[in-house]
Amino acid sequence: ELKVEQNPLFLSMQEGKNYTIYCNYSTTSDRLYWYRQDPGKSLESLFVLLSNGAVKQEGRLMASLDTKARLSTLHITAAVHDLSATYFCAVDKSSGSRLTFGEGTQLTVNP
Amino acid sequence: DAGVIQSPRHEVTEMGQEVTLRCKPISGHDYLFWYRQTMMRGLELLIYFNNNVPIDDSGMPEDRFSAKMPNASFSTLKIQPSEPRDSAVYFCASSLGGRYNSPLHFGNGTRLTVT
Repeated sequence: ELKVEQNPLFLSMQEGKNYTIYCNYSTTSDRLYWYRQDPGKSLESLFVLLSNGAVKQEGRLMASLDTKARLSTLHITAAVHDLSATYFCAVDKSSGSRLTFGEGTQLTVNP
Repeated sequence: DAGVIQSPRHEVTEMGQEVTLRCKPISGHDYLFWYRQTMMRGLELLIYFNNNVPIDDSGMPEDRFSAKMPNASFSTLKIQPSEPRDSAVYFCASSLGGRYNSPLHFGNGTRLTVT
């Protein structure tokens, strides 16, 4: 059974600081997705990582994938309050878009 | 594109009643997924369809849950009879599938409360 684990689960940080969220998964996969969810809202796709060494960046967020280590990271640079949300990683188990989600990391950026 | 459309947004019902959740996927997407989100269990895949055919329903909790996709533009998730432990947010999502490396596009969800 595929397991996807994120850490930390809760992250409180100051504006302007940097931090990294980690996503580990238990079986081989070469597709990993990052999503954002605001409270009471839907999930919004942030990044699709398709191969070992893939790196994607959008604004203050950068995601990377190491398939050999079965690890993805989401790095936050110079955090701002608007980044406060819950971030999920999800792994494609069967190349059919059947995603297994991590527990989510609830990020709070304090002014 | 209107995105994935779910209805209703909120549903409050009494234990034992039948509940039907509805979903319209993005036109052209041939995969449709039903997820459930709770604080305790996070996001769980209930069932998914490819070209209107159920592919994997191993996540459906029990026989009280059923899902159908009669055509490419409509799916339902039915709970009969409903129980308080079914209270959750139910998300429908659609995608083009793995061959296009397509992410899932989620609807706004249906918040179900069973009293």
